[in-house]
Amino acid sequence: KNEVEQSPQNLTAQEGEFITINCSYSVGISALHWLQQHPGGGIVSLFMLSSGKKKHGRLIATINIQEKHSSLHITASHPRDSAVYICSTSGTYKYIFGTGTRLKVLA
Amino acid sequence: GAVVSQHPSRVICKSGTSVKIECRSLDFQATTMFWYRQFPKQSLMLMATSNEGSKATYEQGVEKDKFLINHASLTLSTLTVTSAHPEDSSFYICSARGRGPSSYGYTFGSGTRLTVV
Repeated sequence: KNEVEQSPQNLTAQEGEFITINCSYSVGISALHWLQQHPGGGIVSLFMLSSGKKKHGRLIATINIQEKHSSLHITASHPRDSAVYICSTSGTYKYIFGTGTRLKVLA
Repeated sequence: GAVVSQHPSRVICKSGTSVKIECRSLDFQATTMFWYRQFPKQSLMLMATSNEGSKATYEQGVEKDKFLINHASLTLSTLTVTSAHPEDSSFYICSARGRGPSSYGYTFGSGTRLTVV
Protein backbone atom coordinates (compact mmCIF):
# COMPACT_ATOMS: atom_id res chain seq x y z
CA LYS A 1 0.00 0.00 0.00
CA ASN A 2 1.36 3.40 -0.99
CA GLU A 3 1.87 5.93 1.74
CA VAL A 4 -0.05 8.50 -0.31
CA GLU A 5 -3.01 7.31 -2.31
CA GLN A 6 -5.19 9.30 -4.64
CA SER A 7 -8.56 8.56 -6.10
CA PRO A 8 -9.78 8.40 -8.71
CA GLN A 9 -6.81 7.71 -10.98
CA ASN A 10 -8.68 8.98 -14.01
CA LEU A 11 -11.67 11.26 -14.22
CA THR A 12 -13.64 12.59 -17.15
CA ALA A 13 -16.18 15.32 -16.54
CA GLN A 14 -18.42 17.59 -18.55
CA GLU A 15 -17.75 21.29 -18.48
CA GLY A 16 -19.45 22.90 -15.51
CA GLU A 17 -19.42 19.84 -13.28
CA PHE A 18 -18.23 19.91 -9.68
CA ILE A 19 -15.15 17.74 -9.30
CA THR A 20 -13.63 16.12 -6.23
CA ILE A 21 -10.24 14.45 -6.05
CA ASN A 22 -9.29 12.60 -2.89
CA CYS A 23 -5.97 11.98 -1.19
CA SER A 24 -5.33 9.68 1.77
CA TYR A 25 -2.03 9.34 3.52
CA SER A 26 -0.69 7.07 6.20
CA VAL A 27 2.38 8.99 7.39
CA GLY A 28 2.78 11.88 9.78
CA ILE A 29 3.04 15.13 7.88
CA SER A 30 3.79 18.76 8.40
CA ALA A 31 1.92 19.85 5.30
CA LEU A 32 0.00 18.55 2.33
CA HIS A 33 0.40 19.97 -1.16
CA TRP A 34 -1.80 19.90 -4.22
CA LEU A 35 0.01 20.28 -7.53
CA GLN A 36 -1.27 20.61 -11.08
CA GLN A 37 0.81 19.13 -13.90
CA HIS A 38 -0.03 20.17 -17.44
CA PRO A 39 0.39 17.88 -20.47
CA GLY A 40 3.73 19.47 -21.34
CA GLY A 41 5.05 18.60 -17.88
CA GLY A 42 4.95 22.01 -16.24
CA ILE A 43 3.85 21.95 -12.61
CA VAL A 44 2.00 24.57 -10.62
CA SER A 45 1.71 24.47 -6.87
CA LEU A 46 -1.97 25.00 -6.08
CA PHE A 47 -2.17 24.71 -2.32
CA MET A 48 -0.10 23.96 0.73
CA LEU A 49 -2.17 23.28 3.81
CA SER A 50 -1.75 21.78 7.23
CA SER A 51 -5.28 22.24 8.56
CA GLY A 52 -8.75 23.33 7.56
CA LYS A 53 -9.60 24.66 4.17
CA LYS A 54 -8.18 26.97 1.54
CA LYS A 55 -9.83 28.52 -1.50
CA HIS A 56 -8.36 30.05 -4.61
CA GLY A 57 -10.75 30.98 -7.37
CA ARG A 58 -12.70 27.89 -8.35
CA LEU A 59 -10.40 25.59 -6.40
CA ILE A 60 -10.95 24.51 -2.82
CA ALA A 61 -8.68 22.25 -0.79
CA THR A 62 -9.57 20.71 2.54
CA ILE A 63 -7.68 18.54 4.96
CA ASN A 64 -8.77 16.41 7.91
CA ILE A 65 -5.70 15.71 10.01
CA GLN A 66 -7.42 13.14 12.24
CA GLU A 67 -8.62 11.12 9.26
CA LYS A 68 -5.43 11.75 7.25
CA HIS A 69 -7.42 12.78 4.25
CA SER A 70 -7.50 15.72 1.91
CA SER A 71 -9.77 16.68 -0.96
CA LEU A 72 -9.37 19.01 -3.88
CA HIS A 73 -12.58 20.41 -5.32
CA ILE A 74 -13.03 22.21 -8.60
CA THR A 75 -16.25 24.13 -9.05
CA ALA A 76 -17.68 24.96 -12.49
CA SER A 77 -15.01 22.87 -14.21
CA HIS A 78 -13.62 24.02 -17.54
CA PRO A 79 -11.61 22.24 -20.26
CA ARG A 80 -8.55 24.26 -19.25
CA ASP A 81 -8.67 22.44 -15.91
CA SER A 82 -7.65 19.27 -17.75
CA ALA A 83 -4.38 18.18 -16.18
CA VAL A 84 -2.89 15.71 -13.72
CA TYR A 85 -3.49 16.67 -10.11
CA ILE A 86 -0.91 15.42 -7.65
CA CYS A 87 -1.17 15.22 -3.90
CA SER A 88 2.08 15.40 -1.99
CA THR A 89 2.90 15.19 1.68
CA SER A 90 5.88 16.76 3.33
CA GLY A 91 7.27 15.81 6.69
CA THR A 92 10.41 16.66 8.56
CA TYR A 93 12.59 14.45 6.43
CA LYS A 94 10.42 13.12 3.71
CA TYR A 95 8.37 14.16 0.69
CA ILE A 96 5.98 11.65 -0.78
CA PHE A 97 3.95 12.05 -3.94
CA GLY A 98 0.72 10.39 -4.96
CA THR A 99 0.50 8.89 -8.42
CA GLY A 100 -1.81 11.63 -9.60
CA THR A 101 -5.35 11.96 -10.88
CA ARG A 102 -5.69 12.52 -14.61
CA LEU A 103 -8.61 14.88 -15.16
CA LYS A 104 -10.19 15.55 -18.53
CA VAL A 105 -12.95 18.12 -18.77
CA LEU A 106 -14.98 17.95 -21.95
CA ALA A 107 -16.53 21.00 -23.54
CA GLY B 1 4.32 36.07 -8.96
CA ALA B 2 7.36 33.95 -8.27
CA VAL B 3 8.98 32.43 -11.36
CA VAL B 4 11.59 29.74 -11.73
CA SER B 5 13.26 29.49 -15.12
CA GLN B 6 14.58 26.04 -16.02
CA HIS B 7 16.87 25.31 -18.97
CA PRO B 8 17.12 23.49 -21.21
CA SER B 9 13.56 22.28 -21.74
CA ARG B 10 14.73 19.35 -23.83
CA VAL B 11 18.12 17.77 -24.31
CA ILE B 12 19.37 14.74 -26.15
CA CYS B 13 22.83 13.53 -25.29
CA LYS B 14 25.05 10.59 -26.03
CA SER B 15 25.63 7.88 -23.49
CA GLY B 16 28.65 8.67 -21.33
CA THR B 17 28.42 12.43 -21.60
CA SER B 18 27.33 14.87 -18.90
CA VAL B 19 24.36 17.19 -18.99
CA LYS B 20 23.79 20.29 -16.87
CA ILE B 21 20.32 21.55 -16.03
CA GLU B 22 19.85 25.04 -14.59
CA CYS B 23 17.11 26.49 -12.46
CA ARG B 24 17.03 30.20 -11.77
CA SER B 25 14.63 32.03 -9.49
CA LEU B 26 13.87 35.24 -11.34
CA ASP B 27 12.21 37.47 -8.79
CA PHE B 28 12.86 35.93 -5.41
CA GLN B 29 15.62 34.38 -3.41
CA ALA B 30 15.42 30.61 -3.44
CA THR B 31 16.70 29.50 -0.07
CA THR B 32 15.80 25.89 -0.79
CA MET B 33 15.78 24.10 -4.12
CA PHE B 34 14.28 20.69 -4.72
CA TRP B 35 15.13 18.43 -7.65
CA TYR B 36 12.71 15.77 -8.86
CA ARG B 37 12.64 13.08 -11.49
CA GLN B 38 9.59 11.69 -13.18
CA PHE B 39 9.50 8.62 -15.38
CA PRO B 40 6.66 8.28 -17.91
CA LYS B 41 3.27 7.72 -16.32
CA GLN B 42 4.83 7.67 -12.87
CA SER B 43 4.74 10.01 -9.94
CA LEU B 44 7.30 12.67 -9.16
CA MET B 45 10.22 11.42 -7.11
CA LEU B 46 12.26 13.77 -4.98
CA MET B 47 15.95 13.33 -5.73
CA ALA B 48 17.58 15.88 -3.48
CA THR B 49 17.12 19.04 -1.48
CA SER B 50 19.66 21.81 -1.43
CA ASN B 51 19.96 24.87 0.71
CA GLU B 52 21.94 27.81 -0.55
CA GLY B 53 25.58 27.55 0.36
CA SER B 54 25.47 24.02 1.72
CA LYS B 55 25.74 20.51 0.33
CA ALA B 56 22.64 18.89 -1.05
CA THR B 57 20.79 16.20 0.87
CA TYR B 58 20.06 13.25 -1.37
CA GLU B 59 17.15 10.86 -1.07
CA GLN B 60 17.81 7.19 -0.53
CA GLY B 61 18.84 5.46 -3.73
CA VAL B 62 20.01 8.61 -5.53
CA GLU B 63 23.72 8.58 -6.31
CA LYS B 64 25.26 11.87 -5.29
CA ASP B 65 28.32 11.32 -7.46
CA LYS B 66 26.14 10.83 -10.50
CA PHE B 67 23.68 13.64 -9.90
CA LEU B 68 25.74 16.65 -8.88
CA ILE B 69 23.80 19.50 -7.39
CA ASN B 70 25.18 22.97 -6.90
CA HIS B 71 23.28 25.74 -5.16
CA ALA B 72 25.98 28.37 -4.95
CA SER B 73 23.70 31.39 -4.97
CA LEU B 74 20.21 32.32 -3.89
CA THR B 75 19.03 32.51 -7.48
CA LEU B 76 20.73 29.58 -9.18
CA SER B 77 20.84 25.84 -8.70
CA THR B 78 22.21 23.31 -11.15
CA LEU B 79 21.83 19.57 -11.56
CA THR B 80 24.52 17.80 -13.55
CA VAL B 81 23.85 14.26 -14.72
CA THR B 82 27.31 12.76 -15.11
CA SER B 83 28.18 9.89 -17.41
CA ALA B 84 24.58 9.68 -18.53
CA HIS B 85 23.08 6.35 -19.52
CA PRO B 86 19.83 5.57 -21.33
CA GLU B 87 18.19 4.65 -18.02
CA ASP B 88 18.76 8.26 -16.90
CA SER B 89 16.33 9.39 -19.60
CA SER B 90 13.56 11.08 -17.68
CA PHE B 91 11.78 14.33 -16.95
CA TYR B 92 13.73 16.41 -14.43
CA ILE B 93 12.08 19.31 -12.66
CA CYS B 94 13.10 21.69 -9.92
CA SER B 95 11.09 23.62 -7.40
CA ALA B 96 12.16 26.45 -5.19
CA ARG B 97 11.05 27.77 -1.88
CA GLY B 98 12.00 31.31 -1.06
CA ARG B 99 12.38 33.72 1.79
CA GLY B 100 9.60 35.63 3.41
CA PRO B 101 6.13 35.06 4.84
CA SER B 102 4.45 34.98 1.44
CA SER B 103 6.82 32.49 -0.06
CA TYR B 104 5.62 29.38 1.73
CA GLY B 105 4.62 27.74 -1.51
CA TYR B 106 6.75 25.93 -4.00
CA THR B 107 7.44 27.39 -7.41
CA PHE B 108 8.26 24.84 -10.05
CA GLY B 109 10.47 25.16 -13.08
CA SER B 110 9.06 24.07 -16.43
CA GLY B 111 11.06 20.85 -16.48
CA THR B 112 13.76 19.30 -18.65
CA ARG B 113 13.13 16.23 -20.74
CA LEU B 114 16.41 14.33 -20.99
CA THR B 115 16.93 11.62 -23.56
CA VAL B 116 20.17 9.67 -23.49
CA VAL B 117 20.94 7.77 -26.69
